[in-house]
Amino acid sequence: AQRVTQPEKLLSVFKGAPVELKCNYSYSGSPELFWYVQYSRQRLQLLLRHISRESIKGFTADLNKGETSFHLKKPFAQEEDSAMYYCALKVPNDYKLSFGAGTTVTVRA
Amino acid sequence: EAQVTQNPRYLITVTGKKLTVTCSQNMNHEYMSWYRQDPGLGLRQIYYSMNVEVTDKGDVPEGYKVSRKEKRNFPLILESPSPNQTSLYFCASSLRAGVQFFGPGTRLTVL
Repeated sequence: AQRVTQPEKLLSVFKGAPVELKCNYSYSGSPELFWYVQYSRQRLQLLLRHISRESIKGFTADLNKGETSFHLKKPFAQEEDSAMYYCALKVPNDYKLSFGAGTTVTVRA
Repeated sequence: EAQVTQNPRYLITVTGKKLTVTCSQNMNHEYMSWYRQDPGLGLRQIYYSMNVEVTDKGDVPEGYKVSRKEKRNFPLILESPSPNQTSLYFCASSLRAGVQFFGPGTRLTVL
């Protein structure tokens, strides 16, 4: 069965510093990968998906099939980036979406 | 406004007292799902539904039931709640299972 691992439960960075959230997955085929974000007192929402290859709020993520990773990066963290981030995976022809355990990011002034 | 709604938002109950958490979406989505969110465990899928009258178990279905009689509604039923079901519950819907729209969450405490 597919599995998503986010090794960091907590990540604290200073404003303006780069931030990278790690996501590794176990699946031998070609999955769809997503990052979802949950800001304080808000509902979970899609941040970006690897198919789109776009940058949202300054965040980017590249799917590395060789390393089975989908790390989320932002060169200059802002205080409003403080949130819980979830990496998620969907395999072809399956309705199930598997989430990692999440990483709480705190951006300090 | 396109959205997923859940009710109630907060619920405190006692062990064994049946309860239902409702979920409704107005986006005509086929796919709906229930998750529970627990510290250190992230989001775990309880049940999901691909369409009306089609449901399947997720990763942690024990102690829960669901039904999908209408496209817009997907209630979560706890027939006999226990303290280990104290959690934050999220409903989600999507046209395709990947891009999901989430409800605001229901915080359930079972005493």
